[in-house]
Amino acid sequence: GAVVSQHPSRVICKSGTSVKIECRSLDFQATTMFWYRQFPKQSLMLMATSNEGSKATYEQGVEKDKFLINHASLTLSTLTVTSAHPEDSSFYICSARAPGTTYEQYFGPGTRLTVT
Amino acid sequence: GENVEQHPSTLSVQEGDSAVIKCTYSDSASNYFPWYKQELGKRPQLIIDIRSNVGEKKDQRIAVTLNKTAKHFSLHITETQPEDSAVYFCALRGGGKLIFGQGTELSVKP
Repeated sequence: GAVVSQHPSRVICKSGTSVKIECRSLDFQATTMFWYRQFPKQSLMLMATSNEGSKATYEQGVEKDKFLINHASLTLSTLTVTSAHPEDSSFYICSARAPGTTYEQYFGPGTRLTVT
Repeated sequence: GENVEQHPSTLSVQEGDSAVIKCTYSDSASNYFPWYKQELGKRPQLIIDIRSNVGEKKDQRIAVTLNKTAKHFSLHITETQPEDSAVYFCALRGGGKLIFGQGTELSVKP
C-alpha cells in the first residue's frame, strides 16, 4: 500500500512553454502532498506544501506564480512550471503523507524535466 | 530555519566493512529522523527511521542512533554489499515538513 505515482516520468519542453506534472496517491487519500526539486548531485529541496482544497504553501525563494500547484482532490496534486527556462531543468519529486500518521511520507518516482 | 548537516559527502568502503554517516541538527523540537536511500534517477526510499523517544533502532544490517542532547543522529550499515552503493540522505521533521541533509554518496567496492 501507500503508492504514489507521477506523470510524466520524463518531459522535454522548449524554453518559454509550460509543463504540467501530476502526482497521484493510488491507494490512499492524501490531504497533504509535497513538491521537491533536486538538481544533479544535490539534495531534495522542498518547493511547496500542497493541501487539498486550499492554496499551497511555498518555501522561501520559490516563485508561486512560476510554479503553480493545484491540489484539487484527495488523490491528485499538479505542479505546472510556467514559462520554463533551461535553469528549471531538474528532477521534480512529489510525496504524500501516509494516512493515519503525521510523520512518514511516500515519494513518487520523480519527473525529469529538460528545458531546451 | 532548521538545518541539517550531513557528513561525509562521499564514503568508500570495502565490501564487508561498516559504513557510518552522521547528521547534526539545531532544532531541539525535531522529533522524527528518517534515513533515505536514493539510487540514480530513482525516488528516495525510506530505509529506517527513529523517533525522539528512542535512542537506537536496528533492522538487520542497518541501525540508527539518536543523541538528542548532542543533536546528532547516525546511520550504521554493517557487512556492506555492493548493492548498498547509493546516495543516502538523512532528514528530520521540522515545522511539519521534512528537511534533508546534503547526502552521502556511498560506494562499496567488491
